[in-house]
Amino acid sequence: SYVLTQAPSVSVAPGKTASITCGGYSIGRKSVHWYQQKPGQAPVLVIYYDYNRPSGIPERFSGSNSGNTATLTISRVEAGDEADYYCQVWDTTSDHWVFGGGTKLTVL
Amino acid sequence: ELQLVESGGGLVQSGGSLRVSCEASGFNFNIYWMHWVRQTPGKGLVWVSRINFDGSSAIYADSVKGRFTTSRDNAKNMLYLQMNSLSGDDTAVYYCARDPGVASDDAFDLWGQGTMVTVSS
Repeated sequence: SYVLTQAPSVSVAPGKTASITCGGYSIGRKSVHWYQQKPGQAPVLVIYYDYNRPSGIPERFSGSNSGNTATLTISRVEAGDEADYYCQVWDTTSDHWVFGGGTKLTVL
Repeated sequence: ELQLVESGGGLVQSGGSLRVSCEASGFNFNIYWMHWVRQTPGKGLVWVSRINFDGSSAIYADSVKGRFTTSRDNAKNMLYLQMNSLSGDDTAVYYCARDPGVASDDAFDLWGQGTMVTVSS
């Protein structure tokens, strides 16, 4: 089955840029979605189809996808961005959806 | 207001059964695919099941295949997950999530708040 790999944690100072990566074999050939989950809350879609932002998501959130790595970039990080972030793809082989293990973003 | 509200979670003994529900409101439920995703406390998200817009097709993760059944009642805007032969590994928060169903790889654009299922031994 397809595997997505995320670093368990990323730390960044307020106002700086956070990069959260999602590794997978030829992930650049797949469509990647990103979700934000704050403690005690349901996940929220922040990036879909690699780089698109849903309505209401700040422009500070952006995404890219190439080769074996997809990246969620959060510019001018704020304290309110502290959350777990999950990448997701649809595995065509199994017709199943796969999530990465999640990355906890800590704002210093 | 767009909303998904899960219910029916609780404590069940190992080997037992439980049905959780998800009520949709604020959108045309019968044109969307729907998913169940679960999350063990402190752990990551795990996809469980998907059902198509009219309920004619459902697929499952290997870990629940043969034990869980997803169904829907579009007249009532309801999604269901029937869970049988439960074990401790099934202890989790269960979320329902909406999928536009336009393409096979669509994102889940709306999630419920989740319902906790605890399986005791």
